[in-house]
Amino acid sequence: GAGVSQSPSNKVTEKGKDVELRCDPISGHTALYWYRQSLGQGLEFLIYFQGNSAPDKSGLPSDRFSAERTGGSVSTLTIQRTQQEDSAVYLCASSLGLAGDQYFGPGTRLTVT
Amino acid sequence: RKEVEQDPGPFNVPEGATVAFNCTYSNSASQSFFWYRQDCRKEPKLLMSVYSSGNEDGRFTAQLNRASQYISLLIRDSKLSDSATYLCVVKNTNAGKSTFGDGTTLTVKP
Repeated sequence: GAGVSQSPSNKVTEKGKDVELRCDPISGHTALYWYRQSLGQGLEFLIYFQGNSAPDKSGLPSDRFSAERTGGSVSTLTIQRTQQEDSAVYLCASSLGLAGDQYFGPGTRLTVT
Repeated sequence: RKEVEQDPGPFNVPEGATVAFNCTYSNSASQSFFWYRQDCRKEPKLLMSVYSSGNEDGRFTAQLNRASQYISLLIRDSKLSDSATYLCVVKNTNAGKSTFGDGTTLTVKP
């Protein structure tokens, strides 16, 4: 079946602009996660959604970052007033409940110039 | 100190070698443990879950020592295609959040 999909695959933006990154989880997966991976670094947790519960936003690095999950499916990560340090690969994952194995999308490579 | 620590390597081994990676975690509330594999410029992919009794999947063996808060991955008879970065992942299932180690890089050479 279809895996996790993300769009765009690459995004180049100017410093100060807003960007939106999209994630389509695996159908039926109730949990959805966002991570960030800078070049040569490990994955940094940003936020996760589980069903209709309030999301865990504890990993968001600043108030310029926000995420939504509409209808329990598609999620959008928004970064306002982008900075050069926001340049990274943004990875989305989904799982069947919080205890399920996480499956990752191919990521969005964000470059802020 | 990081919550999940791995030796970054790199580990350079010849084909056919046996190689072991270690991982330590600091949060004793952690409940679930995994090894992921990440190829260069690709997303992480689940390699195997790690169970308390230890588990094996072909050439791969994972072990967990809760008392020492230590996880290991053993790869036997290394193949060229095993070259990748191996990520140790620790999860507090109740909290939902997963913590990833920075990874150990393996290069298998002919």
